Amino acid sequence: DAGVTQSPTHLIKTRGQQVTLRCSPKSGHDTVSWYQQALGQGPQFIFQYYEEEERQRGNFPDRFSGHQFPNYSSELNVNALLLGDSALYLCASSLNGRTEETQYFGPGTRLLVL
Amino acid sequence: AQSVTQLDSHVSVSEGTPVLLRCNYSSSYSPSLFWYVQHPNKGLQLLLKYTSAATLVKGINGFEAEFKKSETSFHLTKPSAHMSDAAEYFCVVSQMDSSYKLIFGSGTRLLVRP
Repeated sequence: DAGVTQSPTHLIKTRGQQVTLRCSPKSGHDTVSWYQQALGQGPQFIFQYYEEEERQRGNFPDRFSGHQFPNYSSELNVNALLLGDSALYLCASSLNGRTEETQYFGPGTRLLVL
Repeated sequence: AQSVTQLDSHVSVSEGTPVLLRCNYSSSYSPSLFWYVQHPNKGLQLLLKYTSAATLVKGINGFEAEFKKSETSFHLTKPSAHMSDAAEYFCVVSQMDSSYKLIFGSGTRLLVRP
């Protein structure tokens, strides 16, 4: 049984560009959450998708957007990239998104903005 | 508002000695509390979670944590450290039943000396 998978593993972009990151949840899970982990810090919640809608959002600008597909996979899009967007982007999947349910994390996508 | 403070950014122990990683939390309502571990170049793995059941929570790999409401603490312990325990550990809080996001501490890096 595959766990949470993310693609690509690494990505290099320049300021002002746009990027799309992808996540496939663990089998049987219907909820996907995205987190940003800057170097030396703990992950910060970006948003959560459930039933193809954004259910909750953290303190991130509108440049960060997402999508969930009918098969529960998800994309994170970041427009107008800034140097400060360089980070490890983590995807987590769970069932119904309730916090008492364990969230399973993928290995992440490391984004470098030059 | 919820928050979590990890009191030590780095902890160094000798192999075979006890481990103590300290965490204090702040939450207006009944919290869910978690400890996650992150090995280099790997995703976050759940060690244990507290969701208002027993205050002493046992996790994987011999780790356990005790929820102390009076002290607003959720310290992680292990009787005997192994070399394989060297990693980054995150204390995490969430507000049960009304929030879907996990709030991470800044992390504690555990070093295990041979």
